[in-house]
Amino acid sequence: RKEVEQDPGPFNVPEGATVAFNCTYSNSASQSFFWYRQDCRKEPKLLMSVYSSGNEDGRFTAQLNRASQYISLLIRDSKLSDSATYLCVVNIVNPPNMLTFGGGTRLMVKP
Amino acid sequence: NAGVTQTPKFRVLKTGQSMTLLCAQDMNHEYMYWYRQDPGMGLRLIHYSVGEGTTAKGEVPDGYNVSRLKKQNFLLGLESAAPSQTSVYFCATRYREETQYFGPGTRLLVL
Repeated sequence: RKEVEQDPGPFNVPEGATVAFNCTYSNSASQSFFWYRQDCRKEPKLLMSVYSSGNEDGRFTAQLNRASQYISLLIRDSKLSDSATYLCVVNIVNPPNMLTFGGGTRLMVKP
Repeated sequence: NAGVTQTPKFRVLKTGQSMTLLCAQDMNHEYMYWYRQDPGMGLRLIHYSVGEGTTAKGEVPDGYNVSRLKKQNFLLGLESAAPSQTSVYFCATRYREETQYFGPGTRLLVL
């Protein structure tokens, strides 16, 4: 079983739609969690960190459920520019300071 | 302030040839990482370094060697390239518990 699992998609949605991605992780001792965005043929870039209490950044909302070991990302009012691959990332405790990446979920927003 | 740079951007090798990929950073970060990214596999850690003069194996270290002689540089070497090493290679840096910053990637094709 992969340490971090995501539905690869693609998720095809119209502009203005709300879309949600989930990610599950296997290591219950994981400490920190992130969502990264990766555009085609580009490097991954941090979208947002995920906090236990949930957090929001504009149209993006991230949630963490430690009991069920999953993380979610909600995108409201989708824009064409949101089309990308979204990577779920977990900081595994051992070894320290090492991130484990999910395979990514591809989002395509259509006009 | 260039952030994280990678050299070269693209390279074609023949099986059995050797090469070195260079990652350079000007952010004075302690931690540096080399990943490879393949379709459907996500980012996989090859080797990493927690400081100048130290390196450690990641998830997929076979066929690669690394060196961190200077804090700002992290070199990834392929002694005898194989077609299975065709991939996109990303370098990343990290400062303590902050997020990782990625370089633009090196596309390697081994024929």
